[in-house]
Amino acid sequence: AQSVSQHNHHVILSEAASLELGCNYSYGGTVNLFWYVQYPGQHLQLLLKYFSGDPLVKGIKGFEAEFIKSKFSFNLRKPSVQWSDTAEYFCAVMGSNDYKLSFGAGTTVTVRA
Amino acid sequence: DSGVTQTPKHLITATGQRVTLRCSPRSGDLSVYWYQQSLDQGLQFLIHYYNGEERAKGNILERFSAQQFPDLHSELNLSSLELGDSALYFCASSAAGTGVVTQYFGPGTRLLVL
Repeated sequence: AQSVSQHNHHVILSEAASLELGCNYSYGGTVNLFWYVQYPGQHLQLLLKYFSGDPLVKGIKGFEAEFIKSKFSFNLRKPSVQWSDTAEYFCAVMGSNDYKLSFGAGTTVTVRA
Repeated sequence: DSGVTQTPKHLITATGQRVTLRCSPRSGDLSVYWYQQSLDQGLQFLIHYYNGEERAKGNILERFSAQQFPDLHSELNLSSLELGDSALYFCASSAAGTGVVTQYFGPGTRLLVL
């Protein structure tokens, strides 16, 4: 069965600090990987996705993620966060012949102005 | 705005009641997925429809059912509601049924069972 583990439940940092959120998955096959963001009171929005090719993926709002197959990881990074990055971040996995997303528990990121 | 619409935005009801949540996918998308987001279970896949046919079920209770209509909108029916059914219910849509697809999420329906 698929599982997704996000290492941090809550991260608090100051504006301009760098952010890295960990995500590890367990799946016996080829996967597609996603990071979604949920701003307070809003719906899930796609930040970035990895299907194949360059393991370093760039998304919206200055976010990027690196797929490391040997470590079953897909960590999210942003060099310099802003107050507006305060949100909950979800890592998700979908098998290549699958239909559903399996989500991690989410990481709440609070950025102090 | 993802292009996926859900109604109602909020729903308050009592235990034992039945409610219907509605979802309209993005224009051209044939697949609709339903997810439940609760504090204790996180985001869980419930059910997937593709072009009117049920494709897969996830952690969906027998008291819950769904359908997708010819115009591709979908409804999630929740019956004999319990306090634990209080959650945020998201609908997502995608162009295809399986494979390399991105799911786009609607704003959700927040259900409160009292």
